[in-house]
Amino acid sequence: NAGVTQTPKFQVLKTGQSMTLQCAQDMNHEYMSWYRQDPGMGLRLIHYSVGAGITDQGEVPNGYNVSRSTTEDFPLRLLSAAPSQTSVYFCASSPRGGAILYGYTFGSGTRLTVV
Amino acid sequence: AQSVTQLGSHVSVSEGALVLLRCNYSSSVPPYLFWYVQYPNQGLQLLLKYTSAATLVKGINGFEAEFKKSETSFHLTKPSAHMSDAAEYFCAVILGGATGRRALTFGSGTRLQVQP
Repeated sequence: NAGVTQTPKFQVLKTGQSMTLQCAQDMNHEYMSWYRQDPGMGLRLIHYSVGAGITDQGEVPNGYNVSRSTTEDFPLRLLSAAPSQTSVYFCASSPRGGAILYGYTFGSGTRLTVV
Repeated sequence: AQSVTQLGSHVSVSEGALVLLRCNYSSSVPPYLFWYVQYPNQGLQLLLKYTSAATLVKGINGFEAEFKKSETSFHLTKPSAHMSDAAEYFCAVILGGATGRRALTFGSGTRLQVQP
């Protein structure tokens, strides 16, 4: 099993550009989440999904879009990149009913710099 | 609203000394609590979790945590620090109850430094 795979690992964007951060899991997990990590602020929830076709906003959703057309994939789209979106982004997944019992499995992250 | 507070953004201990990382939670319903560890330039790895089965929880790498409802705390401890324990540690919570959101809410993290 590959677990949770995030691509790319590193990305530099210019202000105003758009891009999609990819997240895929091969564990048939229904719950998936996107977090951003900034120094001194821990990880903050951007968007999450409890299954294909179902998404909801987290704490810091502005400037980001998600969709969940399949169980395996949960891409995060930056519509118009801003320097404030410079961060490390983590995707995580958990089986339905397993988030409490097992916690989440995390990807290795995407380090994004917006100049 | 649920939240977790980690006291101390940086903790430094000597190799062989006790490790104590503090976490307090705020929740209107019984929470489910987790500790994660992040080694440099890596993702997060689950250390241990509290799911109400037992108040003293043992995790990987010799870490354990005790859930104390009266103190709303879930502090992480290890009797003897190793150099390899140097990392950032995050306390996290999932809200309980039938309708609680099943996504993690994280504390701000504590960076553990282990001195030789």
